[in-house]
Amino acid sequence: EIVMTQSPATLSVSPGERATLSCRASQSVSSNLAWYQHKVGQAPRLLIYGASTRATGIPDRFSGSGSGTEFTLTISGLQSEDSALYFCQQYNNWPPWTFGQGTKVEIK
Amino acid sequence: QVQLVESGGGVVQLGGSLGLSCAVSGFTFSAYAMHWVRQAPGKGLEWVAVISYDGSNKYYADSVKGRFTISRDNSKNTLYLQMNSLRHEDTAVYYCVKVFMSGLQSYHYFDYWGQGTLVTVSS
Repeated sequence: EIVMTQSPATLSVSPGERATLSCRASQSVSSNLAWYQHKVGQAPRLLIYGASTRATGIPDRFSGSGSGTEFTLTISGLQSEDSALYFCQQYNNWPPWTFGQGTKVEIK
Repeated sequence: QVQLVESGGGVVQLGGSLGLSCAVSGFTFSAYAMHWVRQAPGKGLEWVAVISYDGSNKYYADSVKGRFTISRDNSKNTLYLQMNSLRHEDTAVYYCVKVFMSGLQSYHYFDYWGQGTLVTVSS
């Protein structure tokens, strides 16, 4: 099973600044990595797939990078509505499909 | 538009059973593999089970294997999860999720999620 590890657990960022979230895989997942945004009481939303491709309707302030075992989600020009939990997920080696534990982004 | 609506959650006794349903609309259900994913209180997301578009292939997380059964009725556009021998650690919000497809190829990341249904296992 591939273990996904996210850091930091919590990130506090001022509006307009940049948030950088990390996701590490215990073995290579190539570029088969997705990022999701999850707000309380809502369904999770797909942000990024293929490590760097934005999903339909996702603002370009969200960007993904990386391959192999190291991945980054960057939120540029942070807005209040970006306050949420962010998860990464690998879909390269399955079953099982595995998720990171999440990074909580807080707005200062 | 695509909609996935879970139902069937609730409070169940330790060792009991519960069945979840997920009614879908807005896409050709019979063409897509579908998954169940759960989130325990204060925890991250955990994949539970997957079923192929026609129901012929199923996989389960080790934590639920032998206790949970995923199924589907393509004529009713509905996905199911039958949960037996429930444990405290099965307490979670259960999400029905749709895979992304391009042409005939499924990519097992999840482009649509339901709102989730809460299952609480109580002693």
